[in-house]
Amino acid sequence: DAGITQSPRHKVTETGTPVTLRCHQTENHRYMYWYRQDPGHGLRLIHYSYGVKDTDKGEVSDGYSVSRSKTEDFLLTLESATSSQTSVYFCAISETRDNEQFFGPGTRLTVL
Amino acid sequence: DQQVKQNSPSLSVQEGRISILNCDYTNSMFDYFLWYKKYPAEGPTFLISISSIKDKNEDGRFTVFLNKSAKHLSLHIVPSQPGDSAVYFCAAADSSYKLIFGSGTRLLVRP
Repeated sequence: DAGITQSPRHKVTETGTPVTLRCHQTENHRYMYWYRQDPGHGLRLIHYSYGVKDTDKGEVSDGYSVSRSKTEDFLLTLESATSSQTSVYFCAISETRDNEQFFGPGTRLTVL
Repeated sequence: DQQVKQNSPSLSVQEGRISILNCDYTNSMFDYFLWYKKYPAEGPTFLISISSIKDKNEDGRFTVFLNKSAKHLSLHIVPSQPGDSAVYFCAAADSSYKLIFGSGTRLLVRP
């Protein structure tokens, strides 16, 4: 398995609070991604990074921001969590843009 | 509007038989397709991929077929095993390589 960890694995928070999810990789892959998985929608890309400090928006980026200050870490921040952001969040990595992506174990976030 | 559709939410097959999972797409710019398998409480695991220059790709028990004119791809698992029971996602990408996923098909392989 690719060396990808996500923290926390579970979180319950209240509406309006900031939340940061962390993705850590030990593979030294250039590309990192954040997805959310919701019933009936599969996985949807939130943001991705193609290098340190280089990020771009995905399909459902509103309400989320990201940062990547080191190759191994990619942070996803919900500035002010809403109930619609209750979801399972997956981080993924890939060596190059056209390689398959390897996924982390996921973070289950509940916003009350 | 979903660009990648998996119209069968679930599929049940007998152990040893063939499982066929289907996926349709609408964007003619998609030229790279992948299948992922997902067990509960785990992240998706890459299974197999195919580019638009091919119409078939095999890897052991798994074969992906691509019909570009019909904008359709399928994953064949032969023979199916109980351990194959999982949710299967197809995904597609254009030259941006941003993956668009289908909603998944839950496969149950009965012993």
